[in-house]
Amino acid sequence: GQQLNQSPQSMFIQEGEDVSMNCTSSSIFNTWLWYKQDPGEGPVLLIALYKAGELTSNGRLTAQFGITRKDSFLNISASIPSDVGIYFCAGQVATPLVFGKGTRLSVIA
Amino acid sequence: EAGVTQFPSHSVIEKGQTVTLRCDPISGHDNLYWYRRVMGKEIKFLLHFVKESKQDESGMPNNRFLAERTGGTYSTLKVQPAELEDSGVYFCASSPLPGANVLTFGAGSRLTVL
Repeated sequence: GQQLNQSPQSMFIQEGEDVSMNCTSSSIFNTWLWYKQDPGEGPVLLIALYKAGELTSNGRLTAQFGITRKDSFLNISASIPSDVGIYFCAGQVATPLVFGKGTRLSVIA
Repeated sequence: EAGVTQFPSHSVIEKGQTVTLRCDPISGHDNLYWYRRVMGKEIKFLLHFVKESKQDESGMPNNRFLAERTGGTYSTLKVQPAELEDSGVYFCASSPLPGANVLTFGAGSRLTVL
């Protein structure tokens, strides 16, 4: 079946640093999504990408849909303590969504 | 607008016992999904309801899992009998449109099987 390889698995960064994480697959996707899960909560959509090459920003977050349609990255600039959580990439060709294993982000103040 | 509500938030049971998880989707959302995340793994699809009908149950692990959505409102996911490998967080999500990729997730029900 379709699988997403998400890296890194975890990150420890200093407050104010920039963060980059990515997702790759051997399969082509038509849509890439990035979700964030806060402790004790469900995943919440951060950014949705619908076209190969698309670069989209949401505040300090920037995500890109890879040109090959097999990868995506998420950047967070100037990290703050509330960025802590697990970030999941998700891809879609047809339903259902396929998720990566998540990147656990820890921010040290 | 109330979000997706799941109950219980955490359940600890012994192997062989039965557990029923409940999900109340956002009112008016015909599409309801169940996903599961085993610790450290990906969030994996279990099944998809459109109203009361099972649209896709290809992700259900085995016949120990039974999902229902009588009346097309809330849904239950029963695990009987539970095994150790069933431990994980069970997420419910809903969306107003079929095939929609923008899902609203509940907070999840954490199941621990001892």
